[in-house]
Amino acid sequence: GAGVSQSPSNKVTEKGKDVELRCDPISGHTALYWYRQSLGQGLEFLIYFQGNSAPDKSGLPSDRFSAERTGGSVSTLTIQRTQQEDSAVYLCASSRASGPGNTIYFGEGSWLTVV
Amino acid sequence: AQSVTQPDIHITVSEGASLELRCNYSYGATPYLFWYVQSPGQGLQLLLKYFSGDTLVQGIKGFEAEFKRSQSSFNLRKPSVHWSDAAEYFCAVGVTGGYNKLIFGAGTRLAVHP
Repeated sequence: GAGVSQSPSNKVTEKGKDVELRCDPISGHTALYWYRQSLGQGLEFLIYFQGNSAPDKSGLPSDRFSAERTGGSVSTLTIQRTQQEDSAVYLCASSRASGPGNTIYFGEGSWLTVV
Repeated sequence: AQSVTQPDIHITVSEGASLELRCNYSYGATPYLFWYVQSPGQGLQLLLKYFSGDTLVQGIKGFEAEFKRSQSSFNLRKPSVHWSDAAEYFCAVGVTGGYNKLIFGAGTRLAVHP
């Protein structure tokens, strides 16, 4: 498709389960970002990929969170042993390159609810 | 540390009225500034951005924003609001350092009365 695609769009999981969230960036975009949007909060940066490497993982909240990117394209955000405070919208974004002049395009997000 | 403040959590305006959404930033260097809009069930859409040059920038959907360095502000304006403008608006500062990392404000939710 033309935009950033995320799946699943909605996910309800039980506390303690692992979840995987997938992101397909815009074709040809080398930079990929994950953000988290909690209820009533702004967007919180999680991690940045340039190609398959992640130069900045500073926003990952705990070691239960991890992400990878393969083939310079698809990325997966994994949350292990989910907690209720992990409930949020997880937004993926991409840009053609990583410099500040490059517009960042966002997907529609994956709504995660931990019960 | 870099930060963005959007002082108004909720704003309600009447259709056809003018709109100004406030944004203040804290950043040591020359900022790259952005406004995004998020409609219900949709992703974030870029309205406009400021990198350098003219401090009044025009965006999509009739929006404009003015960068005021002395006030550390980047307020969003629209002369006449339409009902379809009801959404959440996010201001962001781009933190440079090799890549474009966005620091967002908490957002302002706009309601439009007919």
